[in-house]
Amino acid sequence: AQSVTQPDIHITVSEGASLELRCNYSYGATPYLFWYVQSPGQGLQLLLKYFSGDTLVQGIKGFEAEFKRSQSSFNLRKPSVHWSDAAEYFCAVGGYGGSQGNLIFGKGTKLSVKP
Amino acid sequence: EAGVVQSPRYKIIEKKQPVAFWCNPISGHNTLYWYLQNLGQGPELLIRYENEEAVDDSQLPKDRFSAERLKGVDSTLKIQPAELGDSAVYLCASSLGQGASNEQFFGPGTRLTVL
Repeated sequence: AQSVTQPDIHITVSEGASLELRCNYSYGATPYLFWYVQSPGQGLQLLLKYFSGDTLVQGIKGFEAEFKRSQSSFNLRKPSVHWSDAAEYFCAVGGYGGSQGNLIFGKGTKLSVKP
Repeated sequence: EAGVVQSPRYKIIEKKQPVAFWCNPISGHNTLYWYLQNLGQGPELLIRYENEEAVDDSQLPKDRFSAERLKGVDSTLKIQPAELGDSAVYLCASSLGQGASNEQFFGPGTRLTVL
């Protein structure tokens, strides 16, 4: 069965520092991969997605992610974090077969930003 | 363009009481999803609709949960009777069609507290 692992429950970075959030997936075929952000009291917003092609994908708000098939990873990065990036980040993989269209989410990583 | 609308935003009920959540998807979106998000967890799919048909309800606890999307537009999720463990955020999402390539847009959720 598909699964997503986000090893870091909580990360704190200083404003202006770089950020990398880890995501590992378990999937039997070429995955559809997503990163969502959830601010308190808000719904999830899509940051970026990977379906095929270039393994480095650019998203909104200055985020990027790199798909590495050999490592089953899809880590999210940002070169310089802003205080407004404090939120919870979820990695997700798209289902296949009868679950096509369903998203399987990781447990999330909460990002705190120090001034 | 209006996003996914959910109401109420917050609901507090006593255990064994019934509760209902309402979702209005983005106009023109045929696919509608209900997710359950427990504290500290990622969303988990409860049910997916294609128009008015529930195409995946394998994760819906049918002894107490029910859902409907009678006219293929808005949807209602009901719990009867509610249990303490049902306290969570219930998220609704919609997309143009099924398939993982269709971006899911999420509503702000309904936070349910069962006392």
